[in-house]
Amino acid sequence: KNEVEQSPQNLTAQEGEFITINCSYSVGISALHWLQQHPGGGIVSLFMLSSGKKKHGRLIATINIQEKHSSLHITASHPRDSAVYICAALCQNTGNQFYFGTGTSLTVIP
Amino acid sequence: GAGVSQSPSNKVTEKGKDVELRCDPISGHTALYWYRQSLGQGLEFLIYFQGNSAPDKSGLPSDRFSAERTGGSVSTLTIQRTQQEDSAVYLCASRLAVFNEQFFGPGTRLTVL
Repeated sequence: KNEVEQSPQNLTAQEGEFITINCSYSVGISALHWLQQHPGGGIVSLFMLSSGKKKHGRLIATINIQEKHSSLHITASHPRDSAVYICAALCQNTGNQFYFGTGTSLTVIP
Repeated sequence: GAGVSQSPSNKVTEKGKDVELRCDPISGHTALYWYRQSLGQGLEFLIYFQGNSAPDKSGLPSDRFSAERTGGSVSTLTIQRTQQEDSAVYLCASRLAVFNEQFFGPGTRLTVL
């Protein structure tokens, strides 16, 4: 079993839809990192959070430490949001190592 | 300021040859990671450097893999006697300090024929 699980694995949405990607983890963490990997392969950091909620533009990330769960929401989705979204848990014990989910592939159709 | 850079962007080599992959982290970032991403797979941790501390090599898949970081800045990942299963994208990331986000380089796509 992976330390970090993401769902869904694949997601197709119509432009304008509200999207939620889920991340659950089984290890104690110091923080959780959401990343976006573009079709060309480049990886961009979206959020790093250890509690509560963060918002940047149409993206919102939340984390519930007690439930060991985080969500990434995209409001008013757009085709340019099509990418793979990856969550990574910063392990509490080591403080250094990230455990990665396998990613959620999002396709937004015009 | 420049982001994380990696070179080469693509490398094709023959089985059994040695390769060196380079990573230039963001200036001032004390932590540096190497990851590997095989086709259609998630990110696999290889090695981590933090300041002058001994590196965390726990992710290196075999003794053919090694890495060094000179002067706390540039890092080189070396793969000796490459095998076809080493074919992957090798990604480098740096971060300023503990609890900071990682910034990724564009990766080096390695193909072993």
